[in-house]
Amino acid sequence: SQQGEEDPQALSIQEGENATMNCSYKTSINNLQWYRQNSGRGLVHLILIRSNEREKHSGRLRVTLDTSKKSSSLLITASRAADTASYFCATALVTGTASKLTFGTGTRLQVTL
Amino acid sequence: DGGITQSPKYLFRKEGQNVTLSCEQNLNHDAMYWYRQDPGQGLRLIYYSQIVNDFQKGDIAEGYSVSREKKESFPLTVTSAQKNPTAFYLCASSQTGGSPLHFGNGTRLTVT
Repeated sequence: SQQGEEDPQALSIQEGENATMNCSYKTSINNLQWYRQNSGRGLVHLILIRSNEREKHSGRLRVTLDTSKKSSSLLITASRAADTASYFCATALVTGTASKLTFGTGTRLQVTL
Repeated sequence: DGGITQSPKYLFRKEGQNVTLSCEQNLNHDAMYWYRQDPGQGLRLIYYSQIVNDFQKGDIAEGYSVSREKKESFPLTVTSAQKNPTAFYLCASSQTGGSPLHFGNGTRLTVT
C-alpha cells in the first residue's frame, strides 16, 4: 500500500528559488527518508530523519518531521537546473536487519534557467 | 567503486515467458530488495531478503520469485503468472535495519 503521499505532484520554479515538497503518511514509522530520481535512473538517498527528530539539514536541503501530524517536508534552497528530478519520501519500518520502505508517488521538480 | 549492478538495462519478452533480472552488489550489505515502479508512480516492494537463503514477500509478490544463494546476488524472476509485468524494476541493498537504501539503475522490462 502507498503510505506516503506527496504534494504537489509537480512543481516548476526558476533557478535560485526555493522548492518545498510535502509528504504525509498513515502509520507509525522508525524513520522517514527522502530520495531523488533522475529520469530513467535509480533512486539516490538524500536525507534521513528519525522519528524522534524534528528537523535536519544537509547542504541546501532542510527536512522537517511532525509525527503528530504524520507529515514531513523537504525544502531545497537556492535551486539549480541540476535539481530537476523526481523526489520521493519513504517511510521506514525496521524489521530485523532490513528496512521495509514504503514510497510515496513523488513530486516532479522542474527548475528552469 | 562499490555499488549495485542491474542487468540488462532493457529487456523484451513475449507474453507467457519467464524472465530473470539480475542484481549484484559489492557493498557487503546483508539486506537486498526488489521494487517495481510504474509510470508516474512510487515504488512498490516485491520481495526482500535479510540474509542468505532467506527472503520475505513484499506488498506485490504474486507472480514473482527470488533466490538468495549468495550475499552478493538477488535475482528476480518474473513468471508468466504476473498479469502486468511491463514495468521498471529496481534492486536495492542496505547495510542495517533502518539505514538508507542504495539502488541500482534499474531494468526496464517490456512484455508484449
